[in-house]
Amino acid sequence: KQEVTQIPAALSVPEGENLVLNCSFTDSAIYNLQWFRQDPGKGLTSLLLIQSSQREQTSGRLNASLDKSSGRSTLYIAASQPGDSATYLCAVLNYGQNFVFGPGTRLSVLP
Amino acid sequence: DTEVTQTPKHLVMGMTNKKSLKCEQHMGHRAMYWYKQKAKKPPELMFVYSYEKLSINESVPSRFSPECPNSSLLNLHLHALQPEDSALYLCASSPGTSGYEQYFGPGTRLTVT
Repeated sequence: KQEVTQIPAALSVPEGENLVLNCSFTDSAIYNLQWFRQDPGKGLTSLLLIQSSQREQTSGRLNASLDKSSGRSTLYIAASQPGDSATYLCAVLNYGQNFVFGPGTRLSVLP
Repeated sequence: DTEVTQTPKHLVMGMTNKKSLKCEQHMGHRAMYWYKQKAKKPPELMFVYSYEKLSINESVPSRFSPECPNSSLLNLHLHALQPEDSALYLCASSPGTSGYEQYFGPGTRLTVT
C-alpha cells in the first residue's frame, strides 16, 4: 500500500528566501505526482503535475522534481512571498489506484 | 473554464436532517470525486465516479449516498449524520481516472450538531 510522507511538517521563513519542500513515497510504480496548495478552510489549488516519465516541471517561481527510483519529489519555491503562506500537499497516483495524499507542509512566509 | 463549483459553502445540520451537497464542472471531465477532509489532515477519498458510474466506494457509511445525474453534476446526499462527520467535503474532477490532473472545488464546510 502506498504511503506518502512530507518533511518538514511546518516551516517558517523570512520573505525572499528560496525554500524546498519534500515529499517521499514508498511505492515507486507511480503514474504521476501532483503538488497542491491549500489555504485555511479552502479547497486545493493544483500547482504542478509531474508524469512518471518526467523529471521536473516548472511554473513561475515553482519547480517540482521527481526521482522515482528514490521515491522522492521536491517542490522548490524561489523568492518566497507572504502570499505563499499555505499548506502544501503532494499526492501520488499509482497504476490502478487512486491518489494518496501526504500530510502536508504548513508554510509561513514572514514579511 | 477550469472551475469546479460546490454549494453550499457552509452547512449546519442536525443528526436527523436530510441534506445534499452539490458539485458542478463544465470542463468536459468524465471522472468526479468526493473527498472528506478533517482539520489539519489530508483529504480522504470517499467516492469516484467514472463516466457517470460509481467506480470506487471506499467503505463509506451508508448515511452518505452519492449520485451522478449527468457528467457535469455530482451530488452527495446526507442522512442521519453523526457529529464526527463534521468536516470539509471536497469535490474534484479530472478528464479520466488514469493519470490525469485533478481539479478541486472550494469545498463545503459541514457541521453536524
